[in-house]
Amino acid sequence: NAGVTQTPKFRILKIGQSMTLQCTQDMNHNYMYWYRQDPGMGLKLIYYSVGAGITDKGEVPNGYNVSRSTTEDFPLRLELAAPSQTSVYFCASRTTGVSLEAFFGQGTRLTVV
Amino acid sequence: AQSVTQLGSHVSVSEGALVLLRCNYSSSVPPYLFWYVQYPNQGLQLLLKYTTGATLVKGINGFEAEFKKSETSFHLTKPSAHMSDAAEYFCAVSANNAGKMLTFGGGTRLMVKP
Repeated sequence: NAGVTQTPKFRILKIGQSMTLQCTQDMNHNYMYWYRQDPGMGLKLIYYSVGAGITDKGEVPNGYNVSRSTTEDFPLRLELAAPSQTSVYFCASRTTGVSLEAFFGQGTRLTVV
Repeated sequence: AQSVTQLGSHVSVSEGALVLLRCNYSSSVPPYLFWYVQYPNQGLQLLLKYTTGATLVKGINGFEAEFKKSETSFHLTKPSAHMSDAAEYFCAVSANNAGKMLTFGGGTRLMVKP
């Protein structure tokens, strides 16, 4: 089982560049999430989606955009990268059934210089 | 609105000693509560969860947690620490089955001394 797959694993961006972090899940989960993890700050929710075509802002959405054209894919777009966006990014998916367990990808370590 | 507070960003125990990681939550509706573990350079894995029913829940690797509504707590324990338990642990809350948001605490790094 692939679960949640994130690409790339590592990336270095220059200030002002843009990029897309890819996230794909093969569990047919409705809910998908993007978090960023900064040292000592836990995970902060950037955006989430409850199904194809539906997205909503989390705690820290500024500087990011998302789309959800299919159930499987939930890409995160960074426009005009800034040093404050240096972080580890995690994608997760979750069923709406009784399990409620969220499954996480391996993360993308992004450095903006 | 919901939030999670984990007391102690770093906890150090000796191998074989009791592990206690603290988690307090706030939620305007009955919560679902989770503990996740993160090993270095990996994603998060579910340790255990409380949804309804028995307030003492058991998870993988000998961990357990007790939901105490009166104290709004969900502390994680393990009777005897093992070196392999060294990792970062996150408590999370979701507002029952209709909750879309999964909110995490700041994390506690557990160190195990030989």
